[in-house]
Amino acid sequence: DSGVTQTPKHLITATGQRVTLRCSPRSGDLSVYWYQQSLDQGLQFLIQYYNGEERAKGNILERFSAQQFPDLHSELNLSSLELGDSALYFCASSVIPQETQYFGPGTRLLVL
Amino acid sequence: DQQVKQNSPSLSVQEGRISILNCDYTNSMFDYFLWYKKYPAEGPTFLISISSIKDKNEDGRFTVFLNKSAKHLSLHIVPSQPGDSAVYFCAATRGNTGNQFYFGTGTSLTVIP
Repeated sequence: DSGVTQTPKHLITATGQRVTLRCSPRSGDLSVYWYQQSLDQGLQFLIQYYNGEERAKGNILERFSAQQFPDLHSELNLSSLELGDSALYFCASSVIPQETQYFGPGTRLLVL
Repeated sequence: DQQVKQNSPSLSVQEGRISILNCDYTNSMFDYFLWYKKYPAEGPTFLISISSIKDKNEDGRFTVFLNKSAKHLSLHIVPSQPGDSAVYFCAATRGNTGNQFYFGTGTSLTVIP
């Protein structure tokens, strides 16, 4: 158990819908990262937050957005969902940027 | 643009033998490298890391080697155990600026009893 929690574990929705994925970092970690893993793909970095502020942005679509709240939990919002958005979404946290990241168990999203 | 590449999608090794997993990167500015292990239905877990000031880091059965001139790193597992069967990801990042981590596509290791 890494100490990073993600909810929900599984999510099934339809195209065009909007979903919110939630992440609670390890106690004491200020930095949160979101990754997408599609079938047979590596982990694609989406976005990073540090102490509530966006720190780095990767291959995140405009239909996707995220934020980190004052209690340091983070949410990833995915809207206008498409079939290709079906993937595993991982959240990771670290004490500060550059330190080792600890991953949550992931949320498996299926868009039908 | 895949800056970190793992060209072997899978590897099978007999129990007790050495497993060698390889990783190549293209960005010469990367100076911190990590290996993660992932079991099915779980998130990746940190295994071992190496800074670019070193060329080797060892932790028990796991050793990571870094060849900066070749932009290549490898993970050696000796001796391999069936419990090591998992997908291994290498990752790289740059400096202390908090830049993003770049992950490879993973190598699925199967250790045959």
